[in-house]
Amino acid sequence: QQQVRQSPQSLTVWEGETAILNCSYENSAFDYFPWYQQFPGEGPALLISILSVSDKKEDGRFTIFFNKREKKLSLHIADSQPGDSATYFCAASEGGGRALIFGTGTTVSVSP
Amino acid sequence: GALVYQYPRRTICKSGTSMRMECQAVGFQATSVAWYRQSPQKTFELIALSTVNSAIKYEQNFTQEKFPISHPNLSFSSMTVLNAYLEDRGLYLCGARTVQDTQYFGPGTRLLVL
Repeated sequence: QQQVRQSPQSLTVWEGETAILNCSYENSAFDYFPWYQQFPGEGPALLISILSVSDKKEDGRFTIFFNKREKKLSLHIADSQPGDSATYFCAASEGGGRALIFGTGTTVSVSP
Repeated sequence: GALVYQYPRRTICKSGTSMRMECQAVGFQATSVAWYRQSPQKTFELIALSTVNSAIKYEQNFTQEKFPISHPNLSFSSMTVLNAYLEDRGLYLCGARTVQDTQYFGPGTRLLVL
């Protein structure tokens, strides 16, 4: 059973638009939710993260919206740039250093 | 800043042989180290997790006999893939966690099996 789900599988946006990536989870004990960006041939790089005590986290053009009641979160990429074209992974874990559980990823393509 | 190094970046081995890969956290004190395998379809599988005060915990479908891990300390970890076969191919990722609970990943070791 997939504990962390992502949608859509792939997404294409025009440069300057906002890309919205969705993530949902099953385990109500998850309290830490990082998003990773991965380019082909590289490892995942931490982009932004949120704790379950917050409902929003912003860092530059990247914003996480978190809904604990519905066990859903989303990553918004504002003013998308061609350099944002990559695969984005939502992950989740419980506290106490537990391992991250990853979603299946959303591949974003930004057209100039 | 916090960095995680992995080497080799890419390795090819013959079916049935073994290969060792290494991971080093630099610039921070790692509180845990996790090894993952990312499939060609980009799916992540957790192999094992090592934390400061506990033994290495392997996930279902991964065993110490097949993927022995050695870590003199959490800043350095090595894992061997024994008797590698085609189904073992993939990108092996090492993730090290900071005291602030942030997990950083290395670039991965890509294993190709002939």
